[in-house]
Amino acid sequence: EADIYQTPRYLVIGTGKKITLECSQTMGHDKMYWYQQDPGMELHLIHYSYGVNSTEKGDLSSESTVSRIRTEHFPLTLESARPSHTSQYLCASSAGTGLTGELFFGEGSRLTVL
Amino acid sequence: KNQVEQSPQSLIILEGKNCTLQCNYTVSPFSNLRWYKQDTGRGPVSLTIMTFSENTKSNGRYTATLDADTKQSSLHITASQLSDSASYICVVSDRGSTLGRLYFGRGTQLTVWP
Repeated sequence: EADIYQTPRYLVIGTGKKITLECSQTMGHDKMYWYQQDPGMELHLIHYSYGVNSTEKGDLSSESTVSRIRTEHFPLTLESARPSHTSQYLCASSAGTGLTGELFFGEGSRLTVL
Repeated sequence: KNQVEQSPQSLIILEGKNCTLQCNYTVSPFSNLRWYKQDTGRGPVSLTIMTFSENTKSNGRYTATLDADTKQSSLHITASQLSDSASYICVVSDRGSTLGRLYFGRGTQLTVWP
């Protein structure tokens, strides 16, 4: 089993609230990712990190922000949630030199914004 | 445009039967292709990886094939079990840049009935 953990698993909040989705991995992987997944659709990369103090935006534009202060921790923050942010958010990590290695995923955080 | 197309979108089979899932891609230059299994409410888990020179690879009851000439892959599941009910996602990596990138299919939702 992969050692990557996400909290909370489920979150229901009102519009305008600030939320942080937590992601931690104990595998020592340099690369970490946040994906957004909607029913019947492919995963979309919204943020990734090569290592500590490195963050990059992914293919899908997102109003969220991320930080990478420690190797094992890669939280995602939404300053003001809106109903359009309702989705499943998956955190992942990988080893190796590129961005195409095997992804190890957390179990996801399902966000519902009312 | 680099794309990954999976078929069928959904599939229902009876326990003990075999099935084959398809993945067609237009990603170029090709690096590798992975099949992931995603159980409901969980993150995806890698089943197998196919590189350019590999035609077939087995992982228990799962057998993946790759035809790099026609840019097609299949995942064959033998003697299906109830636990095989999941979404199966095809992910293709390119090597068009130093770090490469991943292209995701939308998945095939497999349901195994008793």
